[in-house]
Amino acid sequence: GQQVMQIPQYQHVQEGEDFTTYCNSSTTLSNIQWYKQRPGGHPVFLIQLVKSGEVKKQKRLTFQFGEAKKNSSLHITATQTTDVGTYFCAGPGYSGAGSYQLTFGKGTKLSVIP
Amino acid sequence: EAQVTQNPRYLITVTGKKLTVTCSQNMNHEYMSWYRQDPGLGLRQIYYSMNVEVTDKGDVPEGYKVSRKEKRNFPLILESPSPNQTSLYFCASSLGPGGNSPLHFGNGTRLTVT
Repeated sequence: GQQVMQIPQYQHVQEGEDFTTYCNSSTTLSNIQWYKQRPGGHPVFLIQLVKSGEVKKQKRLTFQFGEAKKNSSLHITATQTTDVGTYFCAGPGYSGAGSYQLTFGKGTKLSVIP
Repeated sequence: EAQVTQNPRYLITVTGKKLTVTCSQNMNHEYMSWYRQDPGLGLRQIYYSMNVEVTDKGDVPEGYKVSRKEKRNFPLILESPSPNQTSLYFCASSLGPGGNSPLHFGNGTRLTVT
């Protein structure tokens, strides 16, 4: 079945440094979604990318979808303590009988040292 | 306020004692799903429902049951809980199926089976 790999698993950065997490799929994706889970919280949808080569920005966050639609990245510029949490990517995978389900990467846990 | 409501937030039970975790959404979403989250394993799908009376297995369905008698409710049933079902559980819903719509997650239920 489809696999979504995410690296790194953990990242510790000094406040103000940049951060990037990478997501790779074993299959071509129709779209990719990114979620953020704060410590003790639930995953919250951040963004969805659909087009090949698409780049979207949300303030200090930049999301990219690869040309082949098999990889994606999330880059945070000048991290802040409010960025702490685990970032997940997720892509739809075929689950049989014409049905597609979201498969999540294992996430990148970001720690920010003040 | 649009939301997915799970209850209870915390549950401690003993092996073999049947339990139900409730999930309700007020967004008129057709699609609902249950995930479990374990350290190092990320979010894994247990069951999902494309619409009322339509449910299907996810990646880790063993030991779980679900029902979808009404559009808004999607309870998760553990007929005979075992310690390996100790986990953090999330219910989620989306407007459309197939991994193409953003998921809205509940606050989670932390289950401990002794």
